[in-house]
Amino acid sequence: AQSVTQLDSQVPVFEEAPVELRCNYSSSVSVYLFWYVQYPNQGLQLLLKYLSGSTLVKGINGFEAEFNKSQTSFHLRKPSVHISDTAEYFCAVTLGGGKLIFGQGTELSVKP
Amino acid sequence: DTEVTQTPKHLVMGMTNKKSLKCEQHMGHRAMYWYKQKAKKPPELMFVYSYEKLSINESVPSRFSPECPNSSLLNLHLHALQPEDSALYLCASSQPGQETQYFGPGTRLLVL
Repeated sequence: AQSVTQLDSQVPVFEEAPVELRCNYSSSVSVYLFWYVQYPNQGLQLLLKYLSGSTLVKGINGFEAEFNKSQTSFHLRKPSVHISDTAEYFCAVTLGGGKLIFGQGTELSVKP
Repeated sequence: DTEVTQTPKHLVMGMTNKKSLKCEQHMGHRAMYWYKQKAKKPPELMFVYSYEKLSINESVPSRFSPECPNSSLLNLHLHALQPEDSALYLCASSQPGQETQYFGPGTRLLVL
């Protein structure tokens, strides 16, 4: 069975600093990988996805992620964060068929 | 346009009430999903409809009854809910065979 582990439940960072949110997955077959962001009192917004092809994926709001098959990781990065990036971030994986498996989430808190 | 809409935004109901949540998308997607999300937790899949047919029911109690009247509309009928059913209910849609799910803003439900 697949599973997703987000290694940090909370990440505090100062504005304009770089950030990395870590995600590892467990699966014996090929997977599709996603990062979603959830701002307070809102739904989930797709940040980026890896389906196939280039392992470096660029998303919205200046975020990017790198798929590393050997380390079964899909870490999310941003070189310079803003206050407005404060939100909950979810990594998710699917084998297909509609079942998304989410990690527990990482709360990114950007401080001035 | 990647918009999924949900109504109402908020709902308060008693344990003997009957209410419905509505979800709509006009992206031509033929798969639609209901998720339940408790505070500080990831979304949990409840139901999946594919081509207007129920394809996945994640052992959800019968007090939740989904309905897909057409390819753009998804309802969740609620009856005799319990206080522990209070949560954010999220709808999502995708194209079958394409794994990217797009989420609506959610309905925040409080059961008294």
